[in-house]
Amino acid sequence: AQSVSQHNHHVILSEAASLELGCNYSYGGTVNLFWYVQYPGQHLQLLLKYFSGDPLVKGIKGFEAEFIKSKFSFNLRKPSVQWSDTAEYFCAVNERNNNDMRFGAGTRLTVKP
Amino acid sequence: DTGVSQDPRHKITKRGQNVTFRCDPISEHNRLYWYRQTLGQGPEFLTYFQNEAQLEKSRLLSDRFSAERPKGSFSTLEIQRTEQGDSAMYLCASTFDLTGGVYGYTFGSGTRLTVV
Repeated sequence: AQSVSQHNHHVILSEAASLELGCNYSYGGTVNLFWYVQYPGQHLQLLLKYFSGDPLVKGIKGFEAEFIKSKFSFNLRKPSVQWSDTAEYFCAVNERNNNDMRFGAGTRLTVKP
Repeated sequence: DTGVSQDPRHKITKRGQNVTFRCDPISEHNRLYWYRQTLGQGPEFLTYFQNEAQLEKSRLLSDRFSAERPKGSFSTLEIQRTEQGDSAMYLCASTFDLTGGVYGYTFGSGTRLTVV
């Protein structure tokens, strides 16, 4: 079955630490990949997306993600987190020309000041 | 505000009652989506519209659920004979897209439904 897996349920880091959140998917075809962020009390916002080209994509607020097709992964990274990055992060995937975007269960990131 | 608007923000209803939620997408967006999110889970796809046509429905959308998008503008999601298991956050998202989700979605703040 098609699925999106985020292996880390809750990550706790200190400010300035590096971040990597894992995302794996099980789609067989060509996919579009997304990371969304939900800050406390706010709605989901698009952080970055990949649909073709350079597999290393850069998003807002210093985040980046790397698409590794052979590993069916799209991990999110940030070299140095800030307290304001405390939020829930969702990986999402949809097959090209399919409108059923599927989300992972989310990873809650807590950054300690 | 040029974002996606959802109304109401919160709804508490008794089991067995009907409820209706409204979503106003970004005006130039031709696609509108409904998702449901429960605690500790990511959003789950329910249904989607392209303009006024409902093109896809998830198996999660039982016959108690119905969605409309008259005139291709705002959309409503109605739940009949609500059950406690319907308690969740209902999210609406919109996008303008012709090639399969390339641009990502703009989400509203959601309607939190509590069935007591």
